[in-house]
Amino acid sequence: SAVISQKPSRDICQRGTSLTIQCQVDSQVTMMFWYRQQPGQSLTLIATANQGSEATYESGFVIDKFPISRPNLTFSTLTVSNMSPEDSSIYLCSVEGFTASYGYTFGSGTRLTVV
Amino acid sequence: GENVEQHPSTLSVQEGDSAVIKCTYSDSASNYFPWYKQELGKRPQLIIDIRSNVGEKKDQRIAVTLNKTAKHFSLHITETQPEDSAVYFCAASAGNDMRFGAGTRLTVKP
Repeated sequence: SAVISQKPSRDICQRGTSLTIQCQVDSQVTMMFWYRQQPGQSLTLIATANQGSEATYESGFVIDKFPISRPNLTFSTLTVSNMSPEDSSIYLCSVEGFTASYGYTFGSGTRLTVV
Repeated sequence: GENVEQHPSTLSVQEGDSAVIKCTYSDSASNYFPWYKQELGKRPQLIIDIRSNVGEKKDQRIAVTLNKTAKHFSLHITETQPEDSAVYFCAASAGNDMRFGAGTRLTVKP
């Protein structure tokens, strides 16, 4: 399966600022996915990022708040903009598997705390 | 869109007993059903999956069953061990996106 490097692993940010999370994959992938996991909760899909096109956002998530870049087939960034304490969460990138299993492989996550 | 429901939310078993977690899905087009295990502070890890053309799949102490007609699938863990304690998520996918259940916190008591 793919190896995903995600950074930063954690950060504490002031409200009103922005944080950009990076995700690097060791193989070329068509789609990358960004999820949010609030404390003690499940994983919620934020958006799907295709290389060369705009990301597709899920209901409740907008580009102005969560801009995504996908400059090539191995890299993506998610920015959490104008942060508020409600944005405190774990953010994970993921890609589809390459083996007989198509299950997603997840990055190690970014634990964001907004104060 | 797809909606995945998962039960129970918490499950406590004695070591050596079996544990069963159940999920239902709403989109009849869903054709892929993975299960993830997430230990505290770690990323979700795929433990087993099943496709819609298969009714059951087993991997050592873990098995998954799928009932397409009823749109439900289950995770079965036999001979549970303390290291099985974690949060388990089911998921369903009809293509390029995946929807997750709310999770089940499994505790295996030694």
